[in-house]
Amino acid sequence: AAGVIQSPRHLIKEKRETATLKCYPIPRHDTVYWYQQGPGQDPQFLISFYEKMQSDKGSIPDRFSAQQFSDYHSELNMSSLELGDSALYFCASSLGSQGIDIQYFGAGTRLSVL
Amino acid sequence: QKEVEQNSGPLSVPEGAIASLNCTYSDRGSQSFFWYRQYSGKSPELIMFIYSNGDKEDGRFTAQLNKASQYVSLLIRDSQPSDSATYLCAVRQGSGGYNKLIFGAGTRLAVHP
Repeated sequence: AAGVIQSPRHLIKEKRETATLKCYPIPRHDTVYWYQQGPGQDPQFLISFYEKMQSDKGSIPDRFSAQQFSDYHSELNMSSLELGDSALYFCASSLGSQGIDIQYFGAGTRLSVL
Repeated sequence: QKEVEQNSGPLSVPEGAIASLNCTYSDRGSQSFFWYRQYSGKSPELIMFIYSNGDKEDGRFTAQLNKASQYVSLLIRDSQPSDSATYLCAVRQGSGGYNKLIFGAGTRLAVHP
């Protein structure tokens, strides 16, 4: 079965650079979530989109923005990167319109800021 | 106080034993509860979900929910070394189909031969 696809899998950036992470949800899933997981930490919710509209917002820095496109894929844009942004970034998708709230996670993007 | 609390472990059990993982949550309005397994550097993998009070069994795994006590647990029977991982308890708040998950810090399980 198709899963959540994230790209790139690994990303190395310098401080103050920008990064764009992409997420392709499971086919027919209409809801996308972004989570950030620092070393030894639990995943922290950043932002979510339902039917291309922002549905919830968590502890996402103002330097970050995200959107969901017409094909339901989502992109997380990160600017003015800081050392503390180094983390695993997970995207998850679910079929929110059916009230089925099971979130399936992608393999993640490991971002290293040097 | 975190919204979802777990003992960080490590919880060490011998192969073939029952591993018991516990989780408490603070929001009484929470509707759905999930257990994810995460190997180091990998993504969370859904193991079980439970919505109603009582027990739910799936193979070697049993999830237990007690909403009055705001407590959810995961039992792993016949533990195998491959079960060694961090187990994340996650709680979904609200009743909509697109609510975020609040994770606990995870319990590290080590199953030794």
